[in-house]
Amino acid sequence: QQQVKQSPQSLIVQKGGISIINCAYENTAFDYFPWYQQFPGKGPALLIAIRPDVSEKKEGRFTISFNKSAKQFSLHIMDSQPGDSATYFCAAGNAGGTSYGKLTFGQGTILTVHP
Amino acid sequence: DAGITQSPRHKVTETGTPVTLRCHQTENHRYMYWYRQDPGHGLRLIHYSYGVKDTDKGEVSDGYSVSRSKTEDFLLTLESATSSQTSVYFCAIRSLAEAFFGQGTRLTVV
Repeated sequence: QQQVKQSPQSLIVQKGGISIINCAYENTAFDYFPWYQQFPGKGPALLIAIRPDVSEKKEGRFTISFNKSAKQFSLHIMDSQPGDSATYFCAAGNAGGTSYGKLTFGQGTILTVHP
Repeated sequence: DAGITQSPRHKVTETGTPVTLRCHQTENHRYMYWYRQDPGHGLRLIHYSYGVKDTDKGEVSDGYSVSRSKTEDFLLTLESATSSQTSVYFCAIRSLAEAFFGQGTRLTVV
């Protein structure tokens, strides 16, 4: 069974700190790795995504680091803010054809940023 | 919200009854998906559609069926609801290189 393993389950950081969430995948056919942010009562919203041809992608305070040989990728949130408090999901899938959108998700990480 | 509307938003039903959840989109997207979200499991794909009357199974399709007779509507049916189907159900669409999710339907089977 295709799996994506995410850790930690929960994370508490202080305002201004760095939040790091890690994911590992098994299926080497995956070529699309998005991160989703979800607030209570809302659907997941795409935060940032990466393809395996690059090792890092940065958008504002959010950075994805990707290690293809280790089959691991991580989300770094710099200068974490209380408004970043949410559940974060990593996912993996394929970017083309009918397989796109058929994402395999990690278990989720509940991030709490204290003021 | 990419023009996605899920209905109902909340439902409580009894074991053994049929339940249909609706996903409506207004932007003519070809690909639509149903996921369920459970603590400790993230989101798991139930069924998906790649066009009118074109559907296929996902990871956790047992006990569920889907139909898509119009581009804008994708229906998820629980033929005989069980307590294990208590969950939050999300519809998603594919737009260009991204997947967008609806607000979700919280279903409780008692």
